[in-house]
Amino acid sequence: SQQGEEDPQALSIQEGENATMNCSYKTSINNLQWYRQNSGRGLVHLILIRSNEREKHSGRLRVTLDTSKKSSSLLITVSRAADTASYFCATANFGNEKLTFGTGTRLTIIP
Amino acid sequence: DVKVTQSSRYLVKRTGEKVFLECVQDMDHENMFWYRQDPGLGLRLIYFSYDVKMKEKGDIPEGYSVSREKKERFSLILESASTNQTSMYLCASSLASGRHNEQFFGPGTRLTVL
Repeated sequence: SQQGEEDPQALSIQEGENATMNCSYKTSINNLQWYRQNSGRGLVHLILIRSNEREKHSGRLRVTLDTSKKSSSLLITVSRAADTASYFCATANFGNEKLTFGTGTRLTIIP
Repeated sequence: DVKVTQSSRYLVKRTGEKVFLECVQDMDHENMFWYRQDPGLGLRLIYFSYDVKMKEKGDIPEGYSVSREKKERFSLILESASTNQTSMYLCASSLASGRHNEQFFGPGTRLTVL
């Protein structure tokens, strides 16, 4: 079953702008992760935020987590053409090895 | 660097054929996963293995089986391929429970069943 749902499904912005995508989930989680997928390739892990964390940074990425609203956001600052990809959130439940992935946001950066 | 490899990038098979998709990881990960990815549906877990010879059904196991005889190798088997199994298949691996359970993915196999 799909736990995470990303919003929007697709996003197009100009290079240099910031891109924000959101993820909502339904049950309690241990952590939430974001992955990137370039067209026709495998997924690459970007960042993980634990359930007791509210915000995390990694380079141009900023992730927030609101467990009361069961939602997370991924912000990519100063976007580049190379950021064009699909972005997925994935949730991990306590004591469970598996991740549940959302349906993804397709991000297009216009040069 | 963790490396997860899949035996084929593209594969074309005929309905009724038996299909083997192979996945190998080189980082001694305990867990391995097979997903299929379809437009608008995201990634759906087919099977999961947490140790050699151990397996657990995912969300959509029907029509598939798996084999894990060695720690580094996890095979997905389509016993009798059907057109509705045309999809992108992704393999992933991760460390065992107690870690961050970040998954490392292979490049994917795009399977077409005619």
